Amino acid sequence: GQSLEQPSEVTAVEGAIVQINCTYQTSGFYGLSWYQQHDGGAPTFLSYNALDGLEETGRFSSFLSRSDSYGYLLLQELQMKDSASYFCAVRRGTALIFGKGTTLSVSS
Amino acid sequence: EADIYQTPRYLVIGTGKKITLECSQTMGHDKMYWYQQDPGMELHLIHYSYGVNSTEKGDLSSESTVSRIRTEHFPLTLESARPSHTSQYLCASSESGTGTGNIQYFGAGTRLSVL
Repeated sequence: GQSLEQPSEVTAVEGAIVQINCTYQTSGFYGLSWYQQHDGGAPTFLSYNALDGLEETGRFSSFLSRSDSYGYLLLQELQMKDSASYFCAVRRGTALIFGKGTTLSVSS
Repeated sequence: EADIYQTPRYLVIGTGKKITLECSQTMGHDKMYWYQQDPGMELHLIHYSYGVNSTEKGDLSSESTVSRIRTEHFPLTLESARPSHTSQYLCASSESGTGTGNIQYFGAGTRLSVL
């Protein structure tokens, strides 16, 4: 089956860089995705890695190492509005299986 | 901009009532999903659909049922609500491609409270 592990909480200050790690176990791999969810809101797609390496989208980057079953989300130049929960997810068939989420708290 | 809508946003009902949570998308996506999420917890897949007249149960056992008669519409029904059904229900849709299938678009959710 599928399982994902990510830290439950991360704290940082404005302007800093933070990395949220995700390790996964899956039978069949179709890529690692990242979603952001503000308190009480809808999850929104951030990035997707199907191949090894780094994908950069503005302040956010995502990395994947398929041989290590590991990925991370890198957030740079942190802003207060980045305080949210971040979920990694892998495909199983047609559906996504989500990790338990990492709560990021950004302080001034 | 994602075009997926859920109604109602909030619902408070008594035990034993039958309810239907509505979800509609205007993106023409074949695949749609229902997730259940308690505050501060992960999303649990409870139902999904490949397309019209196709529905499957997800990982989390749920007493709800779904239907997919039209591509754009994927309602979820609870025949007899109980306090244990109190949660947030999130609807999502995606394209069918190997890569694009990883990008799910979520509605704003329905917060259900069963008294």
